Amino acid sequence: DAGITQSPRHKVTETGTPVTLRCHQTENHRYMYWYRQDPGHGLRLIHYSYGVKDTDKGEVSDGYSVSRSKTEDFLLTLESATSSQTSVYFCAISKFYEQYFGPGTRLTVT
Amino acid sequence: SQQGEEDPQALSIQEGENATMNCSYKTSINNLQWYRQNSGRGLVHLILIRSNEREKHSGRLRVTLDTSKKSSSLLITASRAADTASYFCATVLQTQGGSEKLVFGKGTKLTVNP
Repeated sequence: DAGITQSPRHKVTETGTPVTLRCHQTENHRYMYWYRQDPGHGLRLIHYSYGVKDTDKGEVSDGYSVSRSKTEDFLLTLESATSSQTSVYFCAISKFYEQYFGPGTRLTVT
Repeated sequence: SQQGEEDPQALSIQEGENATMNCSYKTSINNLQWYRQNSGRGLVHLILIRSNEREKHSGRLRVTLDTSKKSSSLLITASRAADTASYFCATVLQTQGGSEKLVFGKGTKLTVNP
């Protein structure tokens, strides 16, 4: 499983509050990704990172920011959560083009 | 928009039967991958097929790739109840900056009935 953990695993928060999700890997992979998964939409890329302090936007980046100050940690922040951001969030790393996923974080914004 | 689109969206079969899922994509690719997702879990990589390969096997899995038709198929032979999951195809896109990202289809939900 490439040593990927996500925290928290579940979170319920109120509209307008900031939320930070953490992805941690233990194998020093260069590429890390944040996805959201919603019924009818499959997996959609939010942001990705190709190195420390190197990040780029994916297809659904509005309302999200990321930071990567260390190789092992990739943080996803919702500055002001909205109900449309209720979703399951997955982190992944890339190893020789293959991606390995964390267990996911179920976020509910009420 | 999605790069890969799986077909059918849902498939229900009996144990022991074969299951075939198809994926179509839009742009040129270096490789195409298939992933499985059990309910409530993260995706698990199954197999990668490169653009210069036409067929690849892994256990009970057989993947074909037709770059002229921009399509791929995943065949699971002698299916088992444990194969019940959603299956996704994904293609690698290289960005202008040289980094890579996967674009996933919406998946095929496979149910194998005992």
